[in-house]
Amino acid sequence: DTGVSQNPRHKITKRGQNVTFRCDPISEHNRLYWYRQTLGQGPEFLTYFQNEAQLEKSRLLSDRFSAERPKGSFSTLEIQRTEQGDSAMYLCASSSGFFGPGTRLTVL
Amino acid sequence: GIQVEQSPPDLILQEGANSTLRCNFSDSVNNLQWFHQNPWGQLINLFYIPSGTKQNGRLSATTVATERYSLLYISSSQTTDSGVYFCAVATGNQFYFGTGTSLTVIP
Repeated sequence: DTGVSQNPRHKITKRGQNVTFRCDPISEHNRLYWYRQTLGQGPEFLTYFQNEAQLEKSRLLSDRFSAERPKGSFSTLEIQRTEQGDSAMYLCASSSGFFGPGTRLTVL
Repeated sequence: GIQVEQSPPDLILQEGANSTLRCNFSDSVNNLQWFHQNPWGQLINLFYIPSGTKQNGRLSATTVATERYSLLYISSSQTTDSGVYFCAVATGNQFYFGTGTSLTVIP
């Protein structure tokens, strides 16, 4: 257990639906990262927060994706109008080295 | 972005054997980390090693920043070492992961 939690652990949704994932980082960590991992690949960077400020966004993060970190504590990642290509494991990291267990998204 | 190449892509070892995993990267970095992803998908940080050598039990790592590579050594491998080993590098706040080395240790 790294001290980082993610919910839900699994999400199955139909194409076109919106989904939201939550990450609770280690409380004293002010840096938070979101990644996406597909089968057989390494994690791909999506976005980075320093406290509540979103300071980096990958060009992978289309306008259907939005992330927030209100008050610099937990963070949410929302995907609107999901597509089958969004199926992946979504990982959150607290600081740069403490990963949560991930949320596995399946879009039918 | 920075290109990260890991080799070998797959490795099968007999329990007790030693191995060396390599990570090459295409640009100068100020952060390099090695991770182990267990069969259940959990990523665990092994080393933060932008340069130099570190050891932790049966694992050690060396990064030669000027030549843009890092090595992870696993000695006396155990079945619990099985999983995928990732190298991740960064120049700023954006991390780039390699495609990993999948290690299987057989008893």
